Amino acid sequence: KAGVTQTPRYLIKTRGQQVTLSCSPISGHRSVSWYQQTPGQGLQFLFEYFSETQRNKGNFPGRFSGRQFSNSRSEMNVSTLELGDSALYLCASSLEGGGAPDTQYFGPGTRLTVL
Amino acid sequence: AQTVTQSQPEMSVQEAETVTLSCTYDTSESDYYLFWYKQPPSRQMILVIRQEAYKQQNATENRFSVNFQKAAKSFSLKISDSQLGDAAMYFCAYRSSQGGSEKLVFGKGTKLTVNP
Repeated sequence: KAGVTQTPRYLIKTRGQQVTLSCSPISGHRSVSWYQQTPGQGLQFLFEYFSETQRNKGNFPGRFSGRQFSNSRSEMNVSTLELGDSALYLCASSLEGGGAPDTQYFGPGTRLTVL
Repeated sequence: AQTVTQSQPEMSVQEAETVTLSCTYDTSESDYYLFWYKQPPSRQMILVIRQEAYKQQNATENRFSVNFQKAAKSFSLKISDSQLGDAAMYFCAYRSSQGGSEKLVFGKGTKLTVNP
């Protein structure tokens, strides 16, 4: 079974631009979560989607948004990029989620650099 | 809000020896889940071990075991017979049992070096 895939793997943008990152969960998984990883702040929860609905949201500005499609694939969008948005963005998927925790499987991440 | 603290930014161990990574957390909840994740250099994060707070018995997975002290809100990871492949960043994480969410709260991580 294929693992969690994220595209693109690397991205370079300039301040003020917007970016869309994609995450394809493991087949059959319906829960997708996003995290931002930086050396200073560590791993921070962005949001979680289940069955196309946002189930939880972290403490990030409205420039960060996401969605989930009917096939469970998820995208996150960052508008008006700032230098501080440079980070590794990780996606994680699990089977159902919400109750007793299923194992969350992480993707390789998308490395975003904002110049 | 829950917080997770890993007080050891870096640790090192000799191959074949044992090392313990520390983690403390703060929560007002009585039921929750705790995890240790491993992130090797340039590789994907994987689950090492997990513990349900309502279980008194410490979880064990092969060479990995935890020391869960609920009253002290402590959750340390012991790696026995360390191998070169154990070198990685290790993250302690907390998940609430309330709210129906998979959200994980992570510590800042401990970088483990294994010396041959």
